[in-house]
Amino acid sequence: QKEVEQNSGPLSVPEGAIASLNCTYSDRGSQSFFWYRQYSGKSPELIMFIYSNGDKEDGRFTAQLNKASQYVSLLIRDSQPSDSATYLCAVPTYSSASKIIFGSGTRLSIRP
Amino acid sequence: DTGVSQNPRHKITKRGQNVTFRCDPISEHNRLYWYRQTLGQGPEFLTYFQNEAQLEKSRLLSDRFSAERPKGSFSTLEIQRTEQGDSAMYLCASSLQGLPPEAFFGQGTRLTVV
Repeated sequence: QKEVEQNSGPLSVPEGAIASLNCTYSDRGSQSFFWYRQYSGKSPELIMFIYSNGDKEDGRFTAQLNKASQYVSLLIRDSQPSDSATYLCAVPTYSSASKIIFGSGTRLSIRP
Repeated sequence: DTGVSQNPRHKITKRGQNVTFRCDPISEHNRLYWYRQTLGQGPEFLTYFQNEAQLEKSRLLSDRFSAERPKGSFSTLEIQRTEQGDSAMYLCASSLQGLPPEAFFGQGTRLTVV
């Protein structure tokens, strides 16, 4: 089992709709969870982190965490063409809090 | 520019040559990470430093790879006797000590081994 798993996509969502991106992780002791956005040919850009169960909202982005199910998600409301990118889930391991493990990413495409 | 800086941005080398990459982290960040990314994959952890100490190194990293951070500021990643399979984007990130470790990436160095 991979430490951080994501559906590779591509996920195609119409403009203005909600995009839902999912991630599961294997280290039950992990405490914090990150979402990065990566445009083609560019480096990852940190967009959100969450460490408490429940929801965390930042503008059009909402991160959701369920530690019991080892599941974290990212919702993007009112999707825009500029949201088309690969979204990476990243999880620092419990045993080594600074060893941050990335999923393979979900490619999101917003269609006009 | 106060972000993470990586040099060079691109490197083309012949198989068997040695290459060295440099990373300058955000100035107040004492943690520094190296990752490797190939097309269609997420960043793969290579190693990380807290100040000048290398605290962890991936088992996937062969002995051809070495990283240093001699004064706890900039870091170098050296690959000896490069192979075509080393072709990838090499990413450096830095963060403050503490939780959560918000890591910020540089623009990366794209290595092509021919």
